Amino acid sequence: NAGVTQTPKFQVLKTGQSMTLQCAQDMNHNSMYWYRQDPGMGLRLIYYSASEGTTDKGEVPNGYNVSRLNKREFSLRLESAAPSQTSVYFCASSRSQGSYGYTFGSGTRLTVV
Amino acid sequence: GESVGLHLPTLSVQEGDNSIINCAYSNSASDYFIWYKQESGKGPQFIIDIRSNMDKRQGQRVTVLLNKTVKHLSLQIAATQPGDSAVYFCAENKAGEETSGSRLTFGEGTQLTVNP
Repeated sequence: NAGVTQTPKFQVLKTGQSMTLQCAQDMNHNSMYWYRQDPGMGLRLIYYSASEGTTDKGEVPNGYNVSRLNKREFSLRLESAAPSQTSVYFCASSRSQGSYGYTFGSGTRLTVV
Repeated sequence: GESVGLHLPTLSVQEGDNSIINCAYSNSASDYFIWYKQESGKGPQFIIDIRSNMDKRQGQRVTVLLNKTVKHLSLQIAATQPGDSAVYFCAENKAGEETSGSRLTFGEGTQLTVNP
């Protein structure tokens, strides 16, 4: 089915470990986004990629890096995980021109102990 | 800012009643608004959108109202069903961003509970 696919769905890390969250979309969307969602809070933008080859910081970029590998894939990397990064991470995509709705993946639940 | 223990606004309704979920947005320059539904353990799903040149838009069992004067957005759900139980987020697109992609800013959400 067309949509946004995130892997893994669940992950437990120890403080200081690194990991990469993967995201792929098959809708030929130009723009992709990474959000985090914490209990009782809305979605906060970490990084986004307006088009292939470009990435920019969002509201809460510290502690994260991203790579727009190609038009389909946008990964989020935690170089040295901290307990404050315990959250649910959502990847989303959208067409860049004339269409503003986002399609979201099902999320990655990350716990840092 | 947020604090530990902050609870989402909640709305509890009886099955079959109409629900109204409200949202205040922050940027008077925003020109596009969306409502999303998020069920437990899932990502947000698009419900309905509205542009700033409109006051009202209707979908299937849902209506979005936009009051630009007071920067207020509402989602009305008719004949609410148990399957409507979820967290509902409003989102605004901040116009004037110098990017080729749109960027949405999300509200904190409202937990809707439908009692049978």
